[in-house]
Amino acid sequence: EDKVVQSPLSLVVHEGDTVTLNCSYEVTNFRSLLWYKQEKKAPTFLFMLTSSGIEKKSGRLSSILDKKELSSILNITATQTGDSAIYLCAVEDLEGSQGNLIFGKGTKLSVKP
Amino acid sequence: GAGVSQSPRYKVAKRGQDVALRCDPISGHVSLFWYQQALGQGPEFLTYFQNEAQLDKSGLPSDRFFAERPEGSVSTLKIQRTQQEDSAVYLCASSLAQSRSSYNSPLHFGNGTRLTVT
Repeated sequence: EDKVVQSPLSLVVHEGDTVTLNCSYEVTNFRSLLWYKQEKKAPTFLFMLTSSGIEKKSGRLSSILDKKELSSILNITATQTGDSAIYLCAVEDLEGSQGNLIFGKGTKLSVKP
Repeated sequence: GAGVSQSPRYKVAKRGQDVALRCDPISGHVSLFWYQQALGQGPEFLTYFQNEAQLDKSGLPSDRFFAERPEGSVSTLKIQRTQQEDSAVYLCASSLAQSRSSYNSPLHFGNGTRLTVT
């Protein structure tokens, strides 16, 4: 049973479009939710969210956490071809023995020129 | 170096061979994690080190998998008698965190080693 579910699994848009990526989770003892961008190999850190309703922003990317709905969204405005990547959501669960971070399967974003 | 370095980048092994994957974390990073990422999946936890101590190895899929970090910096993940299902990208990540929590100290990932077992 997947504890972190991302949607959609893949998405194709054109440059300039705005996209919203979703992440929902179900963990015993939530600590934080993280977004990573994975191009080719290494996931690179984007955001860490711990508090509900507080938007984090970095350039054209923004993210917000909703602890009541057990979900988070990642928004990208005015998309560029360089935004093409897999976006991974990970949740830090302080319970259990599978390590701190539980990753979703990712959303593969393709931005066409 | 500036980031987490992993070697080799690619490894092809025949079934039954032993392999060793190396990870050089960011200097000064206390915590080190190994993840296995199968095609189309998110990374899955394998094992966690705090300095030289392996505090959690619950994610290692079988006793053919072994990891060490003898001096608290470089880590090696060894897979004995490789099987086809071991084919995946193996990611190493490190953080400054003094404990296993990533709170305020997110993970920095290496580029991974893509292992293909034929």
